[in-house]
Amino acid sequence: GQQVMQIPQYQHVQEGEDFTTYCNSSTTLSNIQWYKQRPGGHPVFLIQLVKSGEVKKQKRLTFQFGEAKKNSSLHITATQTTDVGTYFCAGHHGGATNKLIFGTGTLLAVQP
Amino acid sequence: GAGVSQTPSNKVTEKGKYVELRCDPISGHTALYWYRQSLGQGPEFLIYFQGTGAADDSGLPNDRFFAVRPEGSVSTLKIQRTERGDSAVYLCASSLSAGGPGNTIYFGEGSWLTVV
Repeated sequence: GQQVMQIPQYQHVQEGEDFTTYCNSSTTLSNIQWYKQRPGGHPVFLIQLVKSGEVKKQKRLTFQFGEAKKNSSLHITATQTTDVGTYFCAGHHGGATNKLIFGTGTLLAVQP
Repeated sequence: GAGVSQTPSNKVTEKGKYVELRCDPISGHTALYWYRQSLGQGPEFLIYFQGTGAADDSGLPNDRFFAVRPEGSVSTLKIQRTERGDSAVYLCASSLSAGGPGNTIYFGEGSWLTVV
């Protein structure tokens, strides 16, 4: 079946260090979305990428969608303690369904 | 309402019992989704509604799970003969429309189900 894997599963950084999580799909995606989930909270939508090779920035966050539309990355520059949480990618695998498959997630811990 | 509302927020039930979880989506959202999330895992797709009909129920694990959305707004996820492995957070989400992939999905706070 369709699988979306993320690496690393867990990352511990010092405040101010950079962080990157990678997302890989077993099949081509029509788009990719990124979500952040704080401990005890629910996933919150961050951004959506649609085009092959697309790059989007949100302040310290940079999102990329691979040329083959099977992988994506999220990079955070100069992490802050407020960045703590689990980051999930999620993709639609094409077709008419709006079924969104979530990745396995990367838990980010930031030490002040 | 302002956001996706789920009730109950917490439910403890005995093995073998029947459970209903309710979701009230954002007003005007025609698409509604149910996901299940276990500790340390990503949300697992269960079922998705477009209006009143289940557009994709391929994620329902077995026939003990059923969901309805009779009037195209509120949805109820029903679990029969609960098992301990059903313990998880059940997340509901909605989006404005289902005119193809790419609509922003808004999640509720979830219903924490514990089967003892």
